[in-house]
Amino acid sequence: EVQLVESGGGLVQPGGSLRLSCAASGFTVSSNYMSWVRQAPGKGLEWVSIIYSSGNTYYADSMKGRFTISRDNSKNTLYLQMNSLRAEDTAVYYCTMSNHPGDYFDYWGQGTLVTVSS
Amino acid sequence: EIVMTQSPATLSVSPGERATLSCRASQNVNRHLAWYQQKPGQAPRLLIYVSSTRATGVPARFSGSGSGTEFTLTISSLQSEDFAVYYCQQYDSWPLFGPGTKVDIK
Repeated sequence: EVQLVESGGGLVQPGGSLRLSCAASGFTVSSNYMSWVRQAPGKGLEWVSIIYSSGNTYYADSMKGRFTISRDNSKNTLYLQMNSLRAEDTAVYYCTMSNHPGDYFDYWGQGTLVTVSS
Repeated sequence: EIVMTQSPATLSVSPGERATLSCRASQNVNRHLAWYQQKPGQAPRLLIYVSSTRATGVPARFSGSGSGTEFTLTISSLQSEDFAVYYCQQYDSWPLFGPGTKVDIK
């Protein structure tokens, strides 16, 4: 059974950093397409970043240069390093998995809340 | 830059009735369109991909159609568990979601 469990969210001040983790089970992270998708409180969904099975990484324009997606194959875990955080980054961050090249999202974690506030 | 719109913003439907949700892309996305269902406090769930293919375990009362710029999600006979927010998402270019349609009880 595919399971995705996010952690690492919390309260951070503007300009601060946070690293989110997504522990995967039931499949191999490095063999699939892993993304982060976020949802601001009461708002819609926004794609953040993707790492392909090849290791190539891509980001939404507003996250480029601030966020870094990575994976640890030995731990079967996905990460999102977030720097220079802004109030508008406040959201629930979901880890997702796709087992195909198309960028739609088959499996979702339960999400972790990031709050950027002073 | 592609813009996704969904209509209506809210759809009030009685249980057992048919619900038709629309999604429009500002430019051609071919059939690279997915639909998700999200209930309060839960993560989204994939319903439909490639415009009309149901994901594993999705009931047959959910159907998708369309190509190019106009897409439709139809729920043939609404059950109590179907009241939720529905998002469309194009993946012809970088993933982009529509603003959602809330289906609530009439």
